[in-house]
Amino acid sequence: AAGVIQSPRHLIKEKRETATLKCYPIPRHDTVYWYQQGPGQDPQFLISFYEKMQSDKGSIPDRFSAQQFSDYHSELNMSSLELGDSALYFCASSSQFGTGGGGRDSPLHFGNGTRLTVT
Amino acid sequence: AQSVTQLGSHVSVSEGALVLLRCNYSSSVPPYLFWYVQYPNQGLQLLLKYTTGATLVKGINGFEAEFKKSETSFHLTKPSAHMSDAAEYFCAVSLGKGGKLIFGQGTELSVKP
Repeated sequence: AAGVIQSPRHLIKEKRETATLKCYPIPRHDTVYWYQQGPGQDPQFLISFYEKMQSDKGSIPDRFSAQQFSDYHSELNMSSLELGDSALYFCASSSQFGTGGGGRDSPLHFGNGTRLTVT
Repeated sequence: AQSVTQLGSHVSVSEGALVLLRCNYSSSVPPYLFWYVQYPNQGLQLLLKYTTGATLVKGINGFEAEFKKSETSFHLTKPSAHMSDAAEYFCAVSLGKGGKLIFGQGTELSVKP
């Protein structure tokens, strides 16, 4: 079965540079989520999109922005990178439409992540 | 507010022994609970989920979890550990409409030969 595809797998940037992470959700999934996982930490929710509209926002820095395109792929744009941005960034997708639990019971399917290293 | 707490950041068991990873939740609404496993440098893979219905949930790789409302717990168990079970395990609760997950701190499982 098709899974969530993230690119690139690894990215090395210098401080103050910009980075763009891409995510291709599972076909027919209508919701995309972005998470940040620091070393030895649990994943922290950044932002989500439902049907190409921002649906929820977490602890995403103002230096970061994201969008979901007409083909449902999503991009996370990160500017003025800082050393503390070094982390594993995950994208996940799910199908919220038609779930009896209002979306809460639909599991998230995660990609393998992009490891960002800021030097 | 909904949250989950995983007791024990590291658990070590011998191969063939029982695996028990603890998770307690706090939720103002009926919780939807999940367990995910993460292998090194990989994404999170769904092990099992509880939404409604049967409180004993079976997942992949021989894992199961039991939802106990009276104890606000959702502990993960496996009768017999295998070396390949060594990984990081995350308990998570689904928040509100939209399905966002909030994760616990994670438990690293080590399996000794």
